[in-house]
Amino acid sequence: DGGITQSPKYLFRKEGQNVTLSCEQNLNHDAMYWYRQDPGQGLRLIYYSQIVNDFQKGDIAEGYSVSREKKESFPLTVTSAQKNPTAFYLCASGQGREDTEAFFGQGTRLTVV
Amino acid sequence: AQSVTQLGSHVSVSEGALVLLRCNYSSSVPPYLFWYVQYPNQGLQLLLKYTSAATLVKGINGFEAEFKKSETSFHLTKPSAHMSDAAEYFCAVRVSNFGNEKLTFGTGTRLTIIP
Repeated sequence: DGGITQSPKYLFRKEGQNVTLSCEQNLNHDAMYWYRQDPGQGLRLIYYSQIVNDFQKGDIAEGYSVSREKKESFPLTVTSAQKNPTAFYLCASGQGREDTEAFFGQGTRLTVV
Repeated sequence: AQSVTQLGSHVSVSEGALVLLRCNYSSSVPPYLFWYVQYPNQGLQLLLKYTSAATLVKGINGFEAEFKKSETSFHLTKPSAHMSDAAEYFCAVRVSNFGNEKLTFGTGTRLTIIP
């Protein structure tokens, strides 16, 4: 089945550690996105990529990094510089045109302990 | 820059009653608009989208939305609420930006269905 796979579903991190969230898609989509979701704040864009080996900062990129070495994969690293990393992280992909929707993974809930 | 505003972070309706979730957008160019639904601890699922083909858009699960340019609105409706409609709903907007077609979301509306 085609879709977007995020792993792990739950992740616990100690303060000061970097952690990488996985996102893989087999929909042959050019564009991929990372969003952060906090209660009452909706979804905020962290990074997005329209093509392999290229990505742009979203609205809240500080403390995060990404790579796009393969069309299918767009991992997100939450670094120790992110002051409040506890959140629900959603990865999405799409055809990259303005009239097309984004397809979402099931999310990763990150908790800093 | 484009944005959407969802009026009402929480909406409660009785089972069988009309569902109305409000969304207003701000955009200097013709927008593309989307409604998504999210069930607890899951990703978002597309309900419907407006891409200028028709102002009244029908989606899944009996939902529909009407694009009103004069009111800059794209409200989501369903004639008769069902218990399974309880979820969080997000309105989103996207405009053409020469290769940077970001999707911007509202803050969401949590819909509760009263038996």
